[in-house]
Amino acid sequence: AQSVTQLGSHVSVSEGALVLLRCNYSSSVPPYLFWYVQYPNQGLQLLLKYTSAATLVKGINGFEAEFKKSETSFHLTKPSAHMSDAAEYFCAVSAPYSTLTFGKGTMLLVSP
Amino acid sequence: DADVTQTPRNRITKTGKRIMLECSQTKGHDRMYWYRQDPGLGLRLIYYSFDVKDINKGEISDGYSVSRQAQAKFSLSLESAIPNQTALYFCATSDAPGSSGDYNEQFFGPGTRLTVL
Repeated sequence: AQSVTQLGSHVSVSEGALVLLRCNYSSSVPPYLFWYVQYPNQGLQLLLKYTSAATLVKGINGFEAEFKKSETSFHLTKPSAHMSDAAEYFCAVSAPYSTLTFGKGTMLLVSP
Repeated sequence: DADVTQTPRNRITKTGKRIMLECSQTKGHDRMYWYRQDPGLGLRLIYYSFDVKDINKGEISDGYSVSRQAQAKFSLSLESAIPNQTALYFCATSDAPGSSGDYNEQFFGPGTRLTVL
C-alpha cells in the first residue's frame, strides 16, 4: 500500500521568495510520484512526475522536484514565487499497475 | 474542446434523491476514475474502471455506484443522497500500460460541485 504525507496545509510566501512544498511518501515498491496543481474552481493539472528516470524532475511554470529515496521525499520547489502560483498543490504516489493515492494538499498563498 | 468533461458542473439536491453525475472523455483512454474532494482531506478514490467490463471499488465506495457505458463514458450515481456527500467530484482518465511502463498519469475533468440539503 502507498501513502503520502504533505507537511503543512498552508504555506505563505512573498512574491519573489523561494517556494518549498514538502511531500513524504510510503511505498512497498519503487514508486511513481506526481505533483498536481489546482487553481480556484478548476480541475487538477499535472505539474511534474517522477517515473524512475532522473531524480531531479523539472515541470511546468518553473517548478521542480527531487526524488530522495533515502528520505522517502519528493519536495516541490520554485526559486521565485509569482502571484499566479497561488493555488492548492497535491502530491500523489502510485505503485506500478495500481491507482493514485493523493496527499491532503497544501494551499500556497503568495503575498505582494 | 476539453478532453474530459463533467455534467452537471453544479447541482443542488435534497436528502434522499437519486443523483447521477456524468463524465465523458475524448482522450481515448481505457481507464477512468471517480474521486471526491473535501477540504483538508485531499482527493479520495470512489470507483475506478480499467476497461468497459471492469469496475472496482475505491477507498470510499459506500453510498455510490457507477456505470461504464462505453470507453468514453463513466457515470457516478448516488442512490439516495445524504448531506455528508456534499463535495466536489472529479472524474479522471489515464492510459493503459504502454511499452514504456505504467506511469498512471491521470487527466482530470473540471469537477462537479454537489450540495445535498
